[in-house]
Amino acid sequence: GAGVSQSPSNKVTEKGKDVELRCDPISGHTALYWYRQSLGQGLEFLIYFQGNSAPDKSGLPSDRFSAERTGGSVSTLTIQRTQQEDSAVYLCASSMRENYGYTFGSGTRLTVV
Amino acid sequence: AQSVAQPEDQVNVAEGNPLTVKCTYSVSGNPYLFWYVQYPNRGLQFLLKYITGDNLVKGSYGFEAEFNKSQTSFHLKKPSALVSDSALYFCAVSYNTDKLIFGTGTRLQVFP
Repeated sequence: GAGVSQSPSNKVTEKGKDVELRCDPISGHTALYWYRQSLGQGLEFLIYFQGNSAPDKSGLPSDRFSAERTGGSVSTLTIQRTQQEDSAVYLCASSMRENYGYTFGSGTRLTVV
Repeated sequence: AQSVAQPEDQVNVAEGNPLTVKCTYSVSGNPYLFWYVQYPNRGLQFLLKYITGDNLVKGSYGFEAEFNKSQTSFHLKKPSALVSDSALYFCAVSYNTDKLIFGTGTRLQVFP
């Protein structure tokens, strides 16, 4: 597609359940990023994939958070045993390293009740 | 450490007046600097970027920003504000094409 696609757009889950958030980057983009935006807050870096290199996981807030990128394309962010403080908008972005053009998806709004 | 600061939580300006949204960055190599805008209930939209070359960068919707190395700043400007410019603005920095580090955002409110 023409842009970065994220699904679902909204997710309501019960505390303690696991959730999976999906990101389809722009075709050919080698880099993929996950960010989190809590209500009224800035963007918090979570994880970064670049090509076949080991991902930069330095922003993951706890071991309940993990992410995969299969085949250098689609990425899934998994949150295990969700807590209320995980409620936020999760944003995915992709880029071509050569032109520094980061394109963001519309995000997944996660609400933990 | 890589960081970027947006010292103002909110900027208020009357329509037709010039606007400035401030951004400063930490010094660590050669920074790549970006501005993004977020309208209510929408994703981040790219406005402009500085990678190299001319210090004055022109972007979307009439916005521009000036890279000032001595002051480590990259302030966003527009000569004449529109009510429709009201949104949340984020400055971001990247080094060596690594991840983007975002500022905390500045809410711009343009009054008619």
